[in-house]
Amino acid sequence: DAKTTQPTSMDCAEGRAANLPCNHSTISGNEYVYWYRQIHSQGPQYIIHGLKNNETNEMASLIITEDRKSSTLILPHATLRDTAVYYCIVRAFHTGNQFYFGTGTSLTVIP
Amino acid sequence: DADVTQTPRNRITKTGKRIMLECSQTKGHDRMYWYRQDPGLGLRLIYYSFDVKDINKGEISDGYSVSRQAQAKFSLSLESAIPNQTALYFCATRGEAGVGTGELFFGEGSRLTVL
Repeated sequence: DAKTTQPTSMDCAEGRAANLPCNHSTISGNEYVYWYRQIHSQGPQYIIHGLKNNETNEMASLIITEDRKSSTLILPHATLRDTAVYYCIVRAFHTGNQFYFGTGTSLTVIP
Repeated sequence: DADVTQTPRNRITKTGKRIMLECSQTKGHDRMYWYRQDPGLGLRLIYYSFDVKDINKGEISDGYSVSRQAQAKFSLSLESAIPNQTALYFCATRGEAGVGTGELFFGEGSRLTVL
C-alpha cells in the first residue's frame, strides 16, 4: 500500500473549517483514501473514504486532487469534540491489503 | 453493548508472565485484527485473521501469538511478557472485502502494563 505523509499537528478555531492535508504521491490506481480519527485513547473511528471523486458525509468532506497524489479532509465547522488525531490511509479496497496507520495529524480545536 | 468487546480493559502484570487479551465481536465479520499503540505513535498491526483457519503475521508479531477460536473471537497472547510490550492494544473487525465501506470497527482498547 502507498505511504502517506501528514503534518504532525494543526490548530483550528472553533466554528471554523478544519482542513487536514495528506500526501500520497505513490498511490496506485486501485487504492482508496481512507480517513480515521482517534479521540484521546479510544479506538479509531472511520470518517470517510474515496477513490477519485470528492465525497461528503455527515461528518466531513474529502477532496482528492485530480492526479490523486494528495487529498484534504475538511471538517466544515470544527467543534471542541473534533480534537483528535486524524489518520490518512491508502489501501486497495477489493483486496486483503491491510490498514497501516502512520502517526497522523493531531488536531486541536481552540475555543 | 459494544459491537467489538475487549477484555480486560486494563491489566498490570510482571515480566515473564503469560497474558491473554480477548476480543469478541457481534458484527458477524470474518476479518479480525490486533493492533498495538505506543504513546505518541500510530497503530501497528500485530496479527490478523480472515477466518477461523487463517492467521497472518503483521508488522510486529514477534513476542505475540494469536488464536481464532471462532468467527467471533480472536485472542492475543504474550507468552512471556516484557516491559517493552507495555502499550495500548486494539482489536478490530472488518467485513468481507468489497462489501460496505470496508471500514475497520475498533474495540475500546486494552491497556497493558508490564512491570
